[in-house]
Formats: sequence, C-alpha cells, structure tokens
Amino acid sequence: ILNVEQSPQSLHVQEGDSTNFTCSFPSSNFYALHWYRWETAKSPEALFVMTLNGDEKKKGRISATLNTKEGYSYLYIKGSQPEDSATYLCAFDSYQTGANNLFFGTGTRLTVIP
Amino acid sequence: KAGVTQTPRYLIKTRGQQVTLSCSPISGHRSVSWYQQTPGQGLQFLFEYFSETQRNKGNFPGRFSGRQFSNSRSEMNVSTLELGDSALYLCASSLGQGESLVETQYFGPGTRLLVL
Repeated sequence: ILNVEQSPQSLHVQEGDSTNFTCSFPSSNFYALHWYRWETAKSPEALFVMTLNGDEKKKGRISATLNTKEGYSYLYIKGSQPEDSATYLCAFDSYQTGANNLFFGTGTRLTVIP
Repeated sequence: KAGVTQTPRYLIKTRGQQVTLSCSPISGHRSVSWYQQTPGQGLQFLFEYFSETQRNKGNFPGRFSGRQFSNSRSEMNVSTLELGDSALYLCASSLGQGESLVETQYFGPGTRLLVL
C-alpha cells in the first residue's frame, strides 16, 4: 500500500483569508497526482490532474503546485469563501499499480467562517 | 451529460448477508472503478473494470467481487457481510482511453452500507 499523507487534517479560516494545504506522496514511480474537492453529501469533484514536475494548475481562486522529486503537492485557496468549505483530497497515481488505481490521502477538511 | 449514478444510496444489512451495489457511469465512459471509505481511512481502491473485464484489483478479500456489463454499468457484490464492511462505497468512471494515459475519474455520490 502506498502512503499518501495530507496535512493539516482540518482547518478553520475566516472568509477572505488565503490558505494552503499539503499532500505528500512517494517520490518513486510517479504517474500523476489528482486533487478533488468533496462537499458533504455530494460526489467528490475533480479539481486538477498534475503529471509534470514543477506543474502549476489554476482554477479560479484555487491553484496547485507539484514537486515529484521530493514527493509533495500544495493546494492554495486565495480569498476563501464559505462555499469553499469542503474536504480536499489528493490521490497518487503510480506506474506500479496500473490504470485508475488511485491512492488517496485522508483529506484536509476546510471550514470557512463567514 | 448526466453524472455517475449509484443505487441504492443507503442500505442496511445484517452480518452474513450479501449485498449488490450498482453504478451507472457517465455516457461514453468505459472504465469503472470502485472505492471503499471507512471512518478515518482514505478512499481505498477495490477494483477497476474496463470492457467487461477486471483490469485491476486492490487488496480486498475474495468476498468483494464485481462485474461490468456491455453498456459499461457495473455492479459490486459483497458476500458474507461483516461488521467491518460498513462503509461508503464510491464508484468512479473515466473514458478508458488506455492504460498508459492519465485520466480524470468522475465519482458518484456513493452507497452508504451499514452492517448490523
């Protein structure tokens, strides 16, 4: 089993604050790193798929960076809004384990206080 | 396009029973993966089906099985249920363009199974 860790486990921020969280994954056999947003009682929603070292992705106020050599990715949210409240999951995709077999972290639960 | 749908959404079973969960992928998607989430654990991969064949399998006992139909719909079966099988079961679909291509998986809302 490949170990994927996310920190912090949970986070409370005020509306308008910027925040970031970390995903750590094995630095060998890297294939891709996926970020998902999961709101309560809904389906996990794909945010980004990152494949190249140094990759940066952006979607509105959310962006992500990737360092495959040291095995980490950061997710940033600029100017947090209450609707950003969700659990953010990262998932590691490895050459070793074949297609569509993602290893998920336990997530960072973000609460944005109005 | 309609998203991934899962039925039923909630299910209560007793130990020893068996259960079948259903997943309908996004139209045109040929790959379906299944994941289990138990409290405090990340999503854990069960198996993946592509073109009616199991292409990949996680580290779960043989009581967990699945299948895929020609229309890409998939079912997951758990036999001889144990208390520890209580979990949220999610399925995800993707285009299934090829094992060497990275794809986004699109998730359904899950089936919450409670085993008493």
